Amino acid sequence: GEDVEQSLFLSVREGDSSVINCTYTDSSSTYLYWYKQEPGAGLQLLTYIFSNMDMKQDQRLTVLLNKKDKHLSLRIADTQTGDSAIYFCAEMSGNNRLAFGKGNQVVVIP
Amino acid sequence: DVKVTQSSRYLVKRTGEKVFLECVQDMDHENMFWYRQDPGLGLRLIYFSYDVKMKEKGDIPEGYSVSREKKERFSLILESASTNQTSMYLCASSPRGQGGTEAFFGQGTRLTVV
Repeated sequence: GEDVEQSLFLSVREGDSSVINCTYTDSSSTYLYWYKQEPGAGLQLLTYIFSNMDMKQDQRLTVLLNKKDKHLSLRIADTQTGDSAIYFCAEMSGNNRLAFGKGNQVVVIP
Repeated sequence: DVKVTQSSRYLVKRTGEKVFLECVQDMDHENMFWYRQDPGLGLRLIYFSYDVKMKEKGDIPEGYSVSREKKERFSLILESASTNQTSMYLCASSPRGQGGTEAFFGQGTRLTVV
């Protein structure tokens, strides 16, 4: 089955950029996602990228996809205290299966 | 306002009990999912369903079963609860065939098995 890998913890100073990485193994994935989970809250979609794209920019968020290496990254520019959360990458396969990684805890230091 | 509703926020059950976790969505979504979330392990897919009466095993289906008798409702069943099933359970739904759209999550059910 699909296996999505993420590193676990990142601390970053307010105003700096933060980069979160993810690897996946299912080359048939059609869409890849980044979700955010704030403390005590449910998961919310941040952004997504279609598998035939290399990059997508959405305001402070930049998603890079390296399909050859099955590597996905999320860059947050000008990180703010409200960005403190757990970030999950996820992939959707052709059979509608939605699988998530282990998550990456981001702590923004004022 | 879109909504995925899980029947309980907190639940305490005894070992060996049969446990039902209910999830209802009001968005007419085809896909529904059950995950468990554990520290350091992320979200692990237990089961998913892409249509009424259809179900597919996820990565950790052992000890669980599901039921999808109506489009809006997806139930997770623990046939005989065990302490290692203590976890946060999350339900989600999404439209089928539109991979770029969002999966909506419920607020979660924190289950403790004693």
